Amino acid sequence: AQSVTQLGSHVSVSEGALVLLRCNYSSSVPPYLFWYVQYPNQGLQLLLKYTSAATLVKGINGFEAEFKKSETSFHLTKPSAHMSDAAEYFCAVTSPTSGTYKYIFGTGTRLKVLA
Amino acid sequence: NAGVTQTPKFQVLKTGQSMTLQCAQDMNHEYMSWYRQDPGMGLRLIHYSVGAGITDQGEVPNGYNVSRSTTEDFPLRLLSAAPSQTSVYFCASSSPRGGREAFFGQGTRLTVV
Repeated sequence: AQSVTQLGSHVSVSEGALVLLRCNYSSSVPPYLFWYVQYPNQGLQLLLKYTSAATLVKGINGFEAEFKKSETSFHLTKPSAHMSDAAEYFCAVTSPTSGTYKYIFGTGTRLKVLA
Repeated sequence: NAGVTQTPKFQVLKTGQSMTLQCAQDMNHEYMSWYRQDPGMGLRLIHYSVGAGITDQGEVPNGYNVSRSTTEDFPLRLLSAAPSQTSVYFCASSSPRGGREAFFGQGTRLTVV
């Protein structure tokens, strides 16, 4: 079975500060991991994905995440927050060997950027 | 390409009414799924399909039906709407090609009164 835990349902940072959103996963097989962003009243947009290649993954809008197998983590970071980063962020896991392509999502972290 | 298209964007139903949420994708993706999003609960899988004619239940299937007669379309039917089905519904599609990332529609905001 797979699961995802996102620590912190709400995170506030000042504009220009480091953004760190935490995601821990559980999986009995090597996972594929994703970060999605959701702006108000919109669908989910892929930020970045880990598919067993490089452990440090760079995504859109300056975000990156590092896959750490020993810590079962896939935390999302951005060196300098911008007001436009305010949104809800979801971590998701799936199994690359599963024929069902099921995705398990975390409960989300709402990021607030303070001026 | 339009990607994943959901209709309608908003809907208000009375308890006991039925309706169908439409989902279509133009990426020739094998896998399609329906999720509901509720505050503090993330996205929960309702039903999914791995190809035309094949569907299966997800985490929260009760009160919903699906069918997949074509690769492109994956409608979600509410048989007898209940207030507990008030939610935002998302359809997604993906493929083993290109890393299995899911592409999402814009969502349908459903209110059952």
